[in-house]
Amino acid sequence: GAVVSQHPSRVICKSGTSVKIECRSLDFQATTMFWYRQFPKQSLMLMATSNEGSKATYEQGVEKDKFLINHASLTLSTLTVTSAHPEDSSFYICSATRQGRNTEAFFGQGTRLTVV
Amino acid sequence: KQEVTQIPAALSVPEGENLVLNCSFTDSAIYNLQWFRQDPGKGLTSLLLIQSSQREQTSGRLNASLDKSSGRSTLYIAASQPGDSATYLCASRDDKIIFGKGTRLHILP
Repeated sequence: GAVVSQHPSRVICKSGTSVKIECRSLDFQATTMFWYRQFPKQSLMLMATSNEGSKATYEQGVEKDKFLINHASLTLSTLTVTSAHPEDSSFYICSATRQGRNTEAFFGQGTRLTVV
Repeated sequence: KQEVTQIPAALSVPEGENLVLNCSFTDSAIYNLQWFRQDPGKGLTSLLLIQSSQREQTSGRLNASLDKSSGRSTLYIAASQPGDSATYLCASRDDKIIFGKGTRLHILP
């Protein structure tokens, strides 16, 4: 299957700082990327959907000014957690898909964010 | 708004048994449905993808079925092994990919 690389896998940051997470599709062009967060022992909650070259569409309750998503190229999307607080500590996972609504979704390995 | 439900939430069975995990979704206008496994603290491993026009997909000891009209999918695991212990997630896809809460499976040696 196709490969999606997410970086970093783990990050610890201080409250008030910003953290950027990268999601790269290594061997295909990802026209659509999805970002999720997962709290311990819970499922993946969709945060936003981004299409290459367009502004991301955020789910209800997700602050777009806090979670900045950029999808400037067909192989890279970034999620920046701005002014991070301890409650932002979570597991963040990205997904990338090729063009077409019935295409398979490929997932990154996830990023464990801890805000201290 | 699509809602995906998985039953049971947790399951423990002796090694060697066959088992079925259930997934239901409220909006049948999906493009496809995907099953994943997730080990503790890890990312997702894709198991099977069923397109909306398909009824089932098989990979090794795994078989997934899809009844789009009734909004249901099942994941059948044959001859379960301790290494199958994990959380199994189903996800429906329309313009978004929505996950169920998962089934935590524990295979007893």
